[in-house]
Amino acid sequence: GAGVSQSPRYKVTKRGQDVALRCDPISGHVSLYWYRQALGQGPEFLTYFNYEAQQDKSGLPNDRFSAERPEGSISTLTIQRTEQRDSAMYRCASSLGVSSSYNEQFFGPGTRLTVL
Amino acid sequence: AQSVTQLGSHVSVSEGALVLLRCNYSSSVPPYLFWYVQYPNQGLQLLLKYTTGATLVKGINGFEAEFKKSETSFHLTKPSAHMSDAAEYFCAVTPAGGTSYGKLTFGQGTILTVHP
Repeated sequence: GAGVSQSPRYKVTKRGQDVALRCDPISGHVSLYWYRQALGQGPEFLTYFNYEAQQDKSGLPNDRFSAERPEGSISTLTIQRTEQRDSAMYRCASSLGVSSSYNEQFFGPGTRLTVL
Repeated sequence: AQSVTQLGSHVSVSEGALVLLRCNYSSSVPPYLFWYVQYPNQGLQLLLKYTTGATLVKGINGFEAEFKKSETSFHLTKPSAHMSDAAEYFCAVTPAGGTSYGKLTFGQGTILTVHP
């Protein structure tokens, strides 16, 4: 596709339910990043992948959060047993890959998650 | 570790006036610095970046920023504001190398309002 896409764009769920957020990166992009953005704040890093390998998950808040990218393309961020504090915009970004020169991260439109 | 502080969560200017959005950063290693713009219901778009070389960088839509190492600043400017510049702006930093390379740390954002 032309850019990074994310689905769903909006998700409303009840506390305790599991949710899965999908990110489809730009074709050919090696690196994929997940960020979370609370209302009135800037995005915060969650995790990133190079190809299918999860390189860093230091930003995941707790073990209810997990992410995968099994074939090195589409990625899914899963939140188990959601809590109201999980409500935020979840953003995905992709880049060509890690190299000696910086590769720009292209961001998707985000998924707005609301936990009731 | 890196951090970013954006002075002023809201900035209001008149159309045609100078735009100045302030960003100060903290980084234990040489940084790469970025400004992103976010329009409603859209993803983050890169305005400009500093990686190496000239400290005054020019971006899209007439924006520019100057990296001042001694002041640990990367302020964003535009000589003459246009109504279409109204948006939220984020300053971000990533280390130029090391294990955190590529992980963006964002400021809290500045909402720019442009009055006719």
